[in-house]
Amino acid sequence: DIQMTQSPSSLSASVGDRVTITCQASQDISNYLNWYQQKPGKAPKLLIYDAFNLETGVPSRFSGSGSGTDFTFTISSLQPEDIATYYCQQFDNLPLTFGGGTKVEIK
Amino acid sequence: EVQLVESGGGWVKPGGSLRLSCAASGFNLSNAWMSWVRQAPGKGLEWVGRIKSKTDGGTRDYAAPVKGRFTISRDDSKNTLYLQMNSLKTEDTAMYYCATGVLRYFVWSSWGQGTLVTVSS
Repeated sequence: DIQMTQSPSSLSASVGDRVTITCQASQDISNYLNWYQQKPGKAPKLLIYDAFNLETGVPSRFSGSGSGTDFTFTISSLQPEDIATYYCQQFDNLPLTFGGGTKVEIK
Repeated sequence: EVQLVESGGGWVKPGGSLRLSCAASGFNLSNAWMSWVRQAPGKGLEWVGRIKSKTDGGTRDYAAPVKGRFTISRDDSKNTLYLQMNSLKTEDTAMYYCATGVLRYFVWSSWGQGTLVTVSS
């Protein structure tokens, strides 16, 4: 199975700050990586697909980059409504696997 | 608009069975790759399994922890996806979501609201 190591597991930042989350795959997954946002009590929401493509309707402050084994998710200017847990997910191989999640809070 | 609505969750004793449903609207279920994803209380997301579209052969694959106990199926006439769960264990306690990208295989742009399964004696 492909292991997805996501870091940090939590972070606290101020409104307007740049926030970066990393996700490392245990083997090359090309760009077969998605990023999801999950707010408490809600289903996950797709933000980024294929490592760097912004899903329709998602604000442009969200972005993704990387390929192979190392990936980065960035919020360019943190907003109060971005408080959530973020997950990376690989779909290069079955079983599909997720990172452990990053809980983002406001300082 | 694509919409997914899960139902069928509840409380069941270890060893019991439960069938979850995911009613789809806004697209033809037979044309989509559909997945089930679960989330244990306070934990992260875990893929459960997937069924391919009819045109792609309808192949089903499962995560190791549920293989042989869970079965994904669909009723195209009802546009509904199912997850039959047998021999349930306490560790199957979770919120269960159905998800799809319709034609986008594993890019899950649409999710249901989830249905909670509690396995406890």
